[in-house]
This record gives sequence, C-alpha cells and structure tokens, in this order.
Amino acid sequence: SQKIEQNSEALNIQEGKTATLTCNYTNYSPAYLQWYRQDPGRGPVFLLLIRENEKEKRKERLKVTFDTTLKQSLFHITASQPADSATYLCALDQGSASKIIFGSGTRLSIRP
Amino acid sequence: KAGVTQTPRYLIKTRGQQVTLSCSPISGHRSVSWYQQTPGQGLQFLFEYFSETQRNKGNFPGRFSGRQFSNSRSEMNVSTLELGDSALYLCASSFQSFNEKLFFGSGTQLSVL
Repeated sequence: SQKIEQNSEALNIQEGKTATLTCNYTNYSPAYLQWYRQDPGRGPVFLLLIRENEKEKRKERLKVTFDTTLKQSLFHITASQPADSATYLCALDQGSASKIIFGSGTRLSIRP
Repeated sequence: KAGVTQTPRYLIKTRGQQVTLSCSPISGHRSVSWYQQTPGQGLQFLFEYFSETQRNKGNFPGRFSGRQFSNSRSEMNVSTLELGDSALYLCASSFQSFNEKLFFGSGTQLSVL
C-alpha cells in the first residue's frame, strides 16, 4: 500500500529565510497531493493541492513542487514569519477514491 | 460562511461506555469524512458519508460507526470504548470529493479512562 514519509519531524529556521519541507511517497504516483497546516488543538487547514501533471503551484508566499520521478513533493514558505510556525501535513490518495492518507507532519518553528 | 462545527469540544468517558460525536459541515457541502488523530498514529481516515450513504471506509473496527442526515450533518459513534480510543476526532467536509480540499472542524478531544 501507499506510504508517505515527511522526513523531518521538526524544522527550526530563522525568520525571513525560506522553509523547505519534504514529502516522499512509495509505490505509484497519486493523482494529486495536498498540503495542510495544523495548529495545536485545531483541525488542519487546507493550503495547496497540486496535480500529477503540474510541476509547481504557488499561492502568495507558498510554493509546492511535485516530482513524480523522485516520488517527492517539496513545500516552500518564502520570507518566513513566526506566524508560520505550525505543523505541516502532506496528504495523498491511495490510488482509488476510497482512501486518503496523511503524513505524520513536520513541526516548523520560525524564530525571530 | 460558517465553518465546520464539531461538538462537544472535549469528552471524558470510561472504558466500555459508548460515545456519539456530532459534526455540522459547511453549508452546501455534501461529503463529510471523519478522522482519528493520535500522537503515535497520526491522522487516520475513518469513513466518509455522502448523501446519507457511507461511501468510503478506513481500516477501523466495527465499533466505529457513523451516519449522515438529510441536512448533511453527521454523527460518529464509538461503542465499547477502549483506552486506545483516546484521540482527537476530526470531521471534515468537502463539496463533492472527500479527499480533495478538505475543510476540518476543530475536533473533539476524547479521553477514555
């Protein structure tokens, strides 16, 4: 079955720098991949969705790339701010409409 | 537009009891899905309802069940609670497809003693 690995449990970076988070998956390429943000005690918030035929997607300071050859998605936050501190989850389907799986998340901390 | 509303916010139960959680989706959203989140297992899909029918199901035992009403509101029930059921239970709604662009509620934090 499909597996997801977000290979950093935690990431600490300086304010103003670009944060880069990684999501790797095994087996087949999903039709699309999503990124969510989750703050403590709250539900995840949808950020971006990128489809398998898209190489890159942007939204304000956020950028997502999708490399089906490497089986990897990168999530970038440029000009990071302390308010960007949260856990970021990637999610993808399991090859059918019946299951969605989430990565374990990367906890991002932006220090002033 | 109001977001996804889950009640109650916190719940404490003892082993063997049952519990019912409620979820009101965003107006116009017909798909409601449920998730269990624990520190060890992360966010795991329980099931999804669409137009009052269970459309998809995750790998959870039959003690976990749900239903959806004609107004799209959904309830999730867990019977014969076990200590391992302690978790944050999240509900999400979406317009059509349950695994795209999910809008989550704040969840119900269930503690089983």
